[in-house]
Amino acid sequence: AQSVTQLDSHVSVSEGTPVLLRCNYSSSYSPSLFWYVQHPNKGLQLLLKYTSAATLVKGINGFEAEFKKSETSFHLTKPSAHMSDAAEYFCVVSDNDDYKLSFGAGTTVTVRA
Amino acid sequence: DAGVIQSPRHEVTEMGQEVTLRCKPISGHNSLFWYRQTMMRGLELLIYFNNNVPIDDSGMPEDRFSAKMPNASFSTLKIQPSEPRDSAVYFCASSFGSSRPQHFGDGTRLSIL
Repeated sequence: AQSVTQLDSHVSVSEGTPVLLRCNYSSSYSPSLFWYVQHPNKGLQLLLKYTSAATLVKGINGFEAEFKKSETSFHLTKPSAHMSDAAEYFCVVSDNDDYKLSFGAGTTVTVRA
Repeated sequence: DAGVIQSPRHEVTEMGQEVTLRCKPISGHNSLFWYRQTMMRGLELLIYFNNNVPIDDSGMPEDRFSAKMPNASFSTLKIQPSEPRDSAVYFCASSFGSSRPQHFGDGTRLSIL
């Protein structure tokens, strides 16, 4: 069985500064890992997916995530936050590319001007 | 490209009434998912269809909930009779194959009074 822990329920950053969203996972098999973003009154949008081809995964809108098997982590970063990055972010895991996704509780990002 | 389309976006109705939520998946996607999102429980998978056939409905809360997929471009989620505890945001998602990233619609915000 798989599970996800997002270590911060809320992150507040200033515009132009780096963003770090932390995620730890557990998986019995080879995990597939995703980050999704949800803006208010919108659905979840895929930011990036770890496919085991490379440990550093680049996504849309300048986001990237690093898979660290030894630490069972998949943290999301962005070098410079933009006001439009204010949203809720979900770390998601599935076992062996299975259709069943386990969602983290979400991290709300606030960007200060 | 058109994404997953859900209707209605908002629904307010009185308890006991029948509610029907609709979803049009992305053209060419053969996997369709219905989710429910609440503050208390986060995102929960209700049902998964593959090639229009229900594969996993273990997440459907009770017999008041039913889902159909009569063809590759349309699915419905029905609640009859509705209860206040059904109030939530319901999302439809689709993917090309069950192991591929899921693409979410913007959801239906349902309020049962």
